[in-house]
Amino acid sequence: DAKTTQPNSMESNEEEPVHLPCNHSTISGTDYIHWYRQLPSQGPEYVIHGLTSNVNNRMASLAIAEDRKSSTLILHRATLRDAAVYYCILGTSGDKIIFGKGTRLHILP
Amino acid sequence: EPEVTQTPSHQVTQMGQEVILRCVPISNHLYFYWYRQILGQKVEFLVSFYNNEISEKSEIFDDQFSVERPDGSNFTLKIRSTKLEDSAMYFCASKLAGGYEQFFGPGTRLTVL
Repeated sequence: DAKTTQPNSMESNEEEPVHLPCNHSTISGTDYIHWYRQLPSQGPEYVIHGLTSNVNNRMASLAIAEDRKSSTLILHRATLRDAAVYYCILGTSGDKIIFGKGTRLHILP
Repeated sequence: EPEVTQTPSHQVTQMGQEVILRCVPISNHLYFYWYRQILGQKVEFLVSFYNNEISEKSEIFDDQFSVERPDGSNFTLKIRSTKLEDSAMYFCASKLAGGYEQFFGPGTRLTVL
């Protein structure tokens, strides 16, 4: 399975944008980049996914580098509710999800 | 909004006992999954299920584990003879055919004494 590298933890102030980085230098041409998050005491929750182009949805934006070896999840205006572990995952549509340790995001009020 | 549900929310059992964890996936989803998360550790894939058969399973999913879709709405995970190390949160997930997003349930906390 292609590997991703994320910082163990990050902090951000409430109501400010957050940029969560992910490196995936061994990504294959068919791998999508998926982001999930896990709020405290909850199951994982889908955030966004993309292949080559940047993507936006109601939760976040995903910026994908031109060489696809890295990507950044952008939360435009963090709230306390966004405090969670964020997972960057590679795969195709039918795949099991292989979770790493993710980035624990702390939001400061 | 449709959601995946799981019962019970917490199950306590004695070592060696059989447990069945139940999940109701979203109704038009065709792909089903079980994952587990031991306290403080990563979420781990156990098994995927499609078209009434297992499509993939991990090394964790040994002969003590089985899955079933008994009635077209429920999706169950059975652990035949529980061990202490089976204590974990168990998450069920489901996905549309051709979709990318897996929808996770809230989990069942299994405690083996």
